[in-house]
Amino acid sequence: DTAVSQTPKYLVTQMGNDKSIKCEQNLGHDTMYWYKQDSKKFLKIMFSYNNKELIINETVPNRFSPKSPDKAHLNLHINSLELGDSAVYFCASSHANSPLHFGNGTRLTVT
Amino acid sequence: AQSVTQLDSQVPVFEEAPVELRCNYSSSVSVYLFWYVQYPNQGLQLLLKYLSGSTLVKGINGFEAEFNKSQTSFHLRKPSVHISDTAEYFCAALNNAGNMLTFGGGTRLMVKP
Repeated sequence: DTAVSQTPKYLVTQMGNDKSIKCEQNLGHDTMYWYKQDSKKFLKIMFSYNNKELIINETVPNRFSPKSPDKAHLNLHINSLELGDSAVYFCASSHANSPLHFGNGTRLTVT
Repeated sequence: AQSVTQLDSQVPVFEEAPVELRCNYSSSVSVYLFWYVQYPNQGLQLLLKYLSGSTLVKGINGFEAEFNKSQTSFHLRKPSVHISDTAEYFCAALNNAGNMLTFGGGTRLMVKP
């Protein structure tokens, strides 16, 4: 009965490849997010979706494209992966002004 | 725009000693404040939250935090820490629209025996 689940947990790939990370929440929340945590543990928001509509896009390269097929899902597709994309990506969800619930993260390593 | 500053990147402390992790926020409007904990190789878990009301907020695992509007602070405290409290702690502020959570840089709490 995991609240926010993201797959895969680990992703190792080569530069130039295209990859996707999936996220699903079963909490009935209307807002979902993607955060990036770099090697220094700094967390930065990438995208925020509310009811399948993009609300926030924080200066993320066009190679990153979020897709929300429905309120419970927010997937992240990354084209032409670069070394600097290596990080831990966290999906999260929330309801209005309530705390965010985070997934366990996807550790992306680009070689 | 809002920002969150955690003044200490690392806090070493001996087991059973008290600890305070500092957090200051900057915002021109009211904010909602949170502390999250991240254990090694895990996701973020909510420790406690301040939305309104009493400025002293109690959370899980014996942690508490005090909202101080005049000092724009939301410091996290625990009177006696355990080895198992070793983790990264993040202070965060949610904007009024409720759609953007801004994190501080994190504080690594290292509890030594």
